[in-house]
Amino acid sequence: NAGVTQTPKFQVLKTGQSMTLQCAQDMNHEYMSWYRQDPGMGLRLIHYSVGAGITDQGEVPNGYNVSRSTTEDFPLRLLSAAPSQTSVYFCASNPGQGNQPQHFGDGTRLSIL
Amino acid sequence: DQQVKQNSPSLSVQEGRISILNCDYTNSMFDYFLWYKKYPAEGPTFLISISSIKDKNEDGRFTVFLNKSAKHLSLHIVPSQPGDSAVYFCAASEGGTSYGKLTFGQGTILTVHP
Repeated sequence: NAGVTQTPKFQVLKTGQSMTLQCAQDMNHEYMSWYRQDPGMGLRLIHYSVGAGITDQGEVPNGYNVSRSTTEDFPLRLLSAAPSQTSVYFCASNPGQGNQPQHFGDGTRLSIL
Repeated sequence: DQQVKQNSPSLSVQEGRISILNCDYTNSMFDYFLWYKKYPAEGPTFLISISSIKDKNEDGRFTVFLNKSAKHLSLHIVPSQPGDSAVYFCAASEGGTSYGKLTFGQGTILTVHP
């Protein structure tokens, strides 16, 4: 049982480059979310989805795009990377029924030079 | 404005003693609270949760207390073990966890000494 899988684990980009962080879950969860973790600030919500075809913004959405074409996948796109986007990114999912906690992937550590 | 705050960046305790981690919140609409544990290079792992209709929830060595009037929750670990050394995050949500939107505190680094 893989749970929530994030790829890649590490990535270095140059300012202005674009890339997609991948997230897949095999638990048939309806809800998926992206967070970023920065020193001293905990995890902050970027975007979330309550089902295929439905996404919405979180606390810090600027500079990021998402789409949800399938239940399993929820990629996060950086259109033009900036040094301020250097962070650790976590994807999470939960069933969407009742008070079920979110399950997190192991993160993608992203550095923008 | 940070809606969930963990004011202690770190806590150090001896093995076998009690660890108490604290968390304060400002949003009175929060009705579900969770604690996550995080080891380096891993994602957060769910530990324990509590609904706003309760004031205490226990799971083995872990107990979470909620004081709604003070907008304060705490996590008690008894007895503490070296394997409990990790970063602990409290998190809160409105409308239970159904929407997948959690607001996190900054985290507290717990170190349990043998």
